[in-house]
Amino acid sequence: GAVVSQHPSWVICKSGTSVKIECRSLDFQATTMFWYRQFPKQSLMLMATSNEGSKATYEQGVEKDKFLINHASLTLSTLTVTSAHPEDSSFYICSARDPAGEGWTNEKLFFGSGTQLSVL
Amino acid sequence: DAKTTQPNSMESNEEEPVHLPCNHSTISGTDYIHWYRQLPSQGPEYVIHGLTSNVNNRMASLAIAEDRKSSTLILHRATLRDAAVYYCILSLGRGNQFYFGTGTSLTVIP
Repeated sequence: GAVVSQHPSWVICKSGTSVKIECRSLDFQATTMFWYRQFPKQSLMLMATSNEGSKATYEQGVEKDKFLINHASLTLSTLTVTSAHPEDSSFYICSARDPAGEGWTNEKLFFGSGTQLSVL
Repeated sequence: DAKTTQPNSMESNEEEPVHLPCNHSTISGTDYIHWYRQLPSQGPEYVIHGLTSNVNNRMASLAIAEDRKSSTLILHRATLRDAAVYYCILSLGRGNQFYFGTGTSLTVIP
């Protein structure tokens, strides 16, 4: 199946600094990617939908100025956590739709391996 | 968004079949039923999905109730590697977001 690569796997940063997380579709073009956040022992929470060449669509309650999403190419979407604070420490996961899903029957997601962010 | 309800946890003995239930009583006619699983510290992995008919693939089977208000993911022979959190999700199909519920944590006992 399609491969989604996420980098870095983990990052530790000081409070107040910004952190960029990359999500790449390795062998396909992804016009749409999704960013999720997951706290320990909780489910995934959708943060935003990233659309190539246009602004991201954020879920209610997610600060778009804090979580900057850029999807400048068909194979790369980035999430930048600006001025990170300890409460932003979480597991961030990106995903992209199945490129073969041109029809309704093949609509599924491939996920990156996630980025564990720890803010000190 | 249509909601799903799953048991918080289940246990299974190794090499035995596992039936993971999911209730989705508010499902609409165009909602697809998806199953993903997540191992610790990893991103979720696609398992199976369907609309109305039962589906089989190399990983599992999906049994969908006739009224579509519930479904069951079937792992035919559980292995230790199947220990994960299994999520049942409804999607409107192409162009729709995927919202995860609480999922079922499956423990496989050797």
